[in-house]
Amino acid sequence: SYVLTQPPSVSVAPGQTARITCGGNNIGSKSVHWYQQKPGQAPVLVVYDDSDRPSGIPERFSGSNSGNTATLTISRVEAGDEADYYCQVWDSSSDHYVFGTGTKVTVL
Amino acid sequence: QVQLVQSGAEVKKPGASVKVSCKASGYTFTGYYMHWVRQAPGQGLEWMGWINPNSGGTNYAQKFQGWVTMTRDTSISTAYMELSRLRSDDTAVYYCARSHGTGGVDYWGQGTLVTVSS
Repeated sequence: SYVLTQPPSVSVAPGQTARITCGGNNIGSKSVHWYQQKPGQAPVLVVYDDSDRPSGIPERFSGSNSGNTATLTISRVEAGDEADYYCQVWDSSSDHYVFGTGTKVTVL
Repeated sequence: QVQLVQSGAEVKKPGASVKVSCKASGYTFTGYYMHWVRQAPGQGLEWMGWINPNSGGTNYAQKFQGWVTMTRDTSISTAYMELSRLRSDDTAVYYCARSHGTGGVDYWGQGTLVTVSS
């Protein structure tokens, strides 16, 4: 089965840039979606199809995808960005959805 | 506005079954896949499967095949997820969530806590 690997944690100071990676075999050939989940809440889609943002998501959230790594970038990080972030793809070979292992972003 | 409203928390004994409902509103129920995703305490998101509300067709993650059943009632725009032979490690929050085809999941239910304990 297809596996997506994320770093367990990323720490960033307010105003700086956070980059969260999502590794998978030839992930660049797939569409990657990113979710933000705050404690006690349901996940929220923040980036879809590698780099598009749903309405209402700040431009500070951006995404890229190439080769074996997809990246979610959060610019000008704010305290409210502290959350868990998950990447997700659809694996066409199994017709299954796959979530990454998740990354906890801590704002220092 | 799009809403997915799930049924309330459940407490079950090991070996029992649980059925969670997810009522959709604000969009055409048959136009979007409905997924079920669970999250054990302190753990990540685990995709369980989806149902196509239009056809009733399902696709389950290999781990849950033979163990989970996803159904829907189009007359009341409601999807259901039934998990049988519950074990303590099935204790988790269960979410329903919709997607347009195989795209990203854009709306989620509020989650249903299922606790399995003797």
